[in-house]
Amino acid sequence: ILNVEQSPQSLHVQEGDSTNFTCSFPSSNFYALHWYRWETAKSPEALFVMTLNGDEKKKGRISATLNTKEGYSYLYIKGSQPEDSATYLCASPFQGAQKLVFGQGTRLTINP
Amino acid sequence: DTAVSQTPKYLVTQMGNDKSIKCEQNLGHDTMYWYKQDSKKFLKIMFSYNNKELIINETVPNRFSPKSPDKAHLNLHINSLELGDSAVYFCASSPDTRQPQHFGDGTRLSIL
Repeated sequence: ILNVEQSPQSLHVQEGDSTNFTCSFPSSNFYALHWYRWETAKSPEALFVMTLNGDEKKKGRISATLNTKEGYSYLYIKGSQPEDSATYLCASPFQGAQKLVFGQGTRLTINP
Repeated sequence: DTAVSQTPKYLVTQMGNDKSIKCEQNLGHDTMYWYKQDSKKFLKIMFSYNNKELIINETVPNRFSPKSPDKAHLNLHINSLELGDSAVYFCASSPDTRQPQHFGDGTRLSIL
């Protein structure tokens, strides 16, 4: 089953609060896990690509962890700002690692 | 300076017409992709080309025909447009699926 699932589907967070959301993927034949940030009326922008179990990556206030054995990744945002409002997509390669399958995204809204 | 550029940005046309969307990348990537953002905002892979060779062809009506004249270009031609073809189409490129994908700005296709 080529399922990449994200939860929650949407999230409202108060400015200044920290938040996190989940991406789950099949753990067998794992190849890589991608995170993208997608602002309304723009194109998806890559945040991280993670390949190793236990990997942790950080970009400013955003960080991500990876557990390939149980098939999940968390994205964390510390001290949310209004400009963090976007849809966050995760994706994983399938079919001989030639095809990237995207989750449905977590739509994050930061309330000022 | 634009890494992945697709044209046109907006395309409004009548049902039954034939239209093309062009995509060019100046990143030197070997692989290019076409995605469709469906009505539920999912990003779904349509086609993938590696060095001008078709490697992924999802269950897409054969009215959709990609063409890659060289590895920097991947164009999408659509024959006999139908109402259900209305969507945003994104072009992307990457060296491989362990590297981030770079997306174009999208083409919003509206069928009247």
